[in-house]
Amino acid sequence: ETGVTQTPRHLVMGMTNKKSLKCEQHLGHNAMYWYKQSAKKPLELMFVYNFKEQTENNSVPSRFSPECPNSSHLFLHLHTLQPEDSALYLCASSQDWPDPNTEAFFGQGTRLTVV
Amino acid sequence: GQNIDQPTEMTATEGAIVQINCTYQTSGFNGLFWYQQHAGEAPTFLSYNVLDGLEEKGRFSSFLSRSKGYSYLLLKELQMKDSASYLCAEVDSNYQLIWGAGTKLIIKP
Repeated sequence: ETGVTQTPRHLVMGMTNKKSLKCEQHLGHNAMYWYKQSAKKPLELMFVYNFKEQTENNSVPSRFSPECPNSSHLFLHLHTLQPEDSALYLCASSQDWPDPNTEAFFGQGTRLTVV
Repeated sequence: GQNIDQPTEMTATEGAIVQINCTYQTSGFNGLFWYQQHAGEAPTFLSYNVLDGLEEKGRFSSFLSRSKGYSYLLLKELQMKDSASYLCAEVDSNYQLIWGAGTKLIIKP
């Protein structure tokens, strides 16, 4: 139990589908993140939310749309994805942002395959 | 841009010691993290260094040299369960984490 829960664990979707990834944290943290992890590549930060406000958007294509209704929940809405978007999508949370010495707690990720 | 370099893969023997190196660019440094990630699992925090020197936590130790832009993770008395990827991440001047691609550590009996 990591304190950060992601659903679903696995997702296969067609390029015309619309789906959403969900993340929930029970740690009382103020900051939540979406990362993309591709094989043998560094983690790529996609979005950061601090106190429900988006503070970072690292040039992510508009086919990825985040939503943060409260400090405990984070969604990533997906539509018209491309096969190269297939990856492990990790959600994380930390006490605050930015806070350089605060560790991040990660969920187990959603393994996304776009066909 | 910032680059984090760490070996792609290492192999070690159960009971032995292994050192995983990480180099980073030194401008605007605000700390360095090590995370462990087992296959199919979430990355989990191992250590954070912001000052030079060695920090020990049980079988795992992390070292930092800011002047050299260099860190290492030292794992002693290796166990099979230590087989995992080890991720190095630098906190840059904008307080963003710059991640390495990870080192896959394979432990053999």
